[in-house]
Formats: sequence, C-alpha cells, structure tokens
Amino acid sequence: KAGVTQTPRYLIKTRGQQVTLSCSPISGHRSVSWYQQTPGQGLQFLFEYFSETQRNKGNFPGRFSGRQFSNSRSEMNVSTLELGDSALYLCASSFRFWQGSTGELFFGEGSRLTVL
Amino acid sequence: AQKVTQAQTEISVVEKEDVTLDCVYETRDTTYYLFWYKQPPSGELVFLIRRNSFDEQNEISGRYSWNFQKSTSSFNFTITASQVVDSAVYFCALNTNAGKSTFGDGTTLTVKP
Repeated sequence: KAGVTQTPRYLIKTRGQQVTLSCSPISGHRSVSWYQQTPGQGLQFLFEYFSETQRNKGNFPGRFSGRQFSNSRSEMNVSTLELGDSALYLCASSFRFWQGSTGELFFGEGSRLTVL
Repeated sequence: AQKVTQAQTEISVVEKEDVTLDCVYETRDTTYYLFWYKQPPSGELVFLIRRNSFDEQNEISGRYSWNFQKSTSSFNFTITASQVVDSAVYFCALNTNAGKSTFGDGTTLTVKP
C-alpha cells in the first residue's frame, strides 16, 4: 500500500516569492491535513481538507492556503514568503471518525522549504 | 482548547537502558484519542500507538509499553532495553476531531552505543 507522497522534498525560495507544495494521500483516505514543523514552534496545524472542503483551520495568516482535488490530492500554497516560513511542511492523510477512523495520521516525509 | 505537554526536551541514554517519555494532556472533551509518533531523521512521523479515552488498559508491545492514567491526564511511553535505532524525536498527540491533532513539542531521544 503506497504511503503519503509529498513533492517536492526540498526547495529554496527567496523572500516575496510564492510556493506550492503537493500531497498525494494513501488510497482511500479522503482527509488530508497539513502541519508546519519548525525548531522553535514544533508541529503546528495548518488546515485540513475533506471532500474538497476545508474543515479545520489553524492560526496561520491568509498567506497560507490550500485546496483539495476530487481525487483527494491536496496542495498548499504560501504567498509572499517570509524568512520565518522556512520549515518542514508535513502532510498527513487519514479516514474520518465516521469512516471508522480513530484519528491516527499517516504522514509523508515532508517538504523542506528554505526561504532566503 | 487542547494542549499536550512533553516536559522532557532531550533524553540521552546508553544502549540497553530503559527510558520513559512523559506526556501530559489537557482537554475538556470526554471522548478523545491519544497517540505516540516517532520521527526518525528522515522526517516522516510514524504512528506507534493509539489509546482512546475509554480504554485505560496499558499495553506492552515488544520493547515498548504505554501507561495511560486518566486521573493524572498522562500517557507515558517506555522503551525497555533501548537500542541505537530508537534514537528519534517522539511526539505525543491528542485528537478530539478526526481532522486535527494537537502535538506536544517532542522529546529527542538519543541512545548511545
């Protein structure tokens, strides 16, 4: 069973640019969530998509956005990049509770973004 | 609001020692799930174990064991006879909403040969 796939794995951008990260969930999983991991802030929840709709949102500015496609693949976008956006961005997929999930997340290896 | 606290930032042990990672959580929900994840240097978080709020039975799986105490809101994780391959960052997490988990800050475990 293929795991969660994130692309690209590494990328370098400069301040002011924008970036798009992609996530393909485990087959059958319709919930995709995104987390930002930094040394200082730990793992912070960004947002969650289910059935192409954002269901939960963390405390991040509007520069952070996402979407989900009909095949459950998801993308997140960060516009007007700042130095503080340098982080490992992790995508996780799962079932939802009503689908029998008990909440465990299955993570990809992440996309490491460096902003110069 | 949910909160997970892992008081131990870093732990260093010598191989074959036992080590316990502490986790304390806060939630007002009566139904919730607790998790431990392991993050090796590759970056991918790997799910280790789940406990729901109605199941306080402790579990042992090989060298791993978990102690869930609702009275003290703790969900501790013990590795017996640690090995170098256990070196990783370990995260405790709380989930009351399937789409969102709250993570602790993680405990970096270093097992020296």
